[in-house]
Amino acid sequence: AQSVTQLDSQVPVFEEAPVELRCNYSSSVSVYLFWYVQYPNQGLQLLLKYLSGSTLVKGINGFEAEFNKSQTSFHLRKPSVHISDTAEYFCAVQDFGNEKLTFGTGTRLTIIP
Amino acid sequence: NAGVTQTPKFQVLKTGQSMTLQCAQDMNHEYMSWYRQDPGMGLRLIHYSVGAGITDQGEVPNGYNVSRSTTEDFPLRLLSAAPSQTSVYFCASSWTGSNTGELFFGEGSRLTVL
Repeated sequence: AQSVTQLDSQVPVFEEAPVELRCNYSSSVSVYLFWYVQYPNQGLQLLLKYLSGSTLVKGINGFEAEFNKSQTSFHLRKPSVHISDTAEYFCAVQDFGNEKLTFGTGTRLTIIP
Repeated sequence: NAGVTQTPKFQVLKTGQSMTLQCAQDMNHEYMSWYRQDPGMGLRLIHYSVGAGITDQGEVPNGYNVSRSTTEDFPLRLLSAAPSQTSVYFCASSWTGSNTGELFFGEGSRLTVL
């Protein structure tokens, strides 16, 4: 069965500084990988996804993530954060041929002015 | 653009009461699912459906029932509410043909069981 580990529950970052949110996954088969973002009092929305091909994936709002198969990781990065990036970020994994998504426990990103 | 619509947004129940959380989508998605979100635990899958008439259990199904009589609707029923079911519930849907797993979420239903 697939599983996802987000190593940091909270990450405070100064405005305009870079940030990396870490995600590791476990699965016995090939996977699709996702990052979702949840702004306060809202549902989740897709930030970016890795299905196949290039291991560097670019998403909305200047975020990107890199799939590393050997380290089973899919870390999320942004070179310069803004106040509007304050949100909770969830990594998710889906096994090939399986409709279900498994989510990590989330990382709360707080931007310090 | 309605997308995924959940009702009610807020509900307070007493232990033992029953209720139904409604979910409707207008995107002709085959796959629909219910998650609960609890602090420090992320989102956990309760039940899911890959099409009308087909449902299956997720990670935490106990205490919840679902049915899927139409493509559009996927209600979640609590037959006898317990305080442990206090949570925020999200309905999500997607296409199944491409199997890319991109879920579209509703805005959530916050349930408190006293």
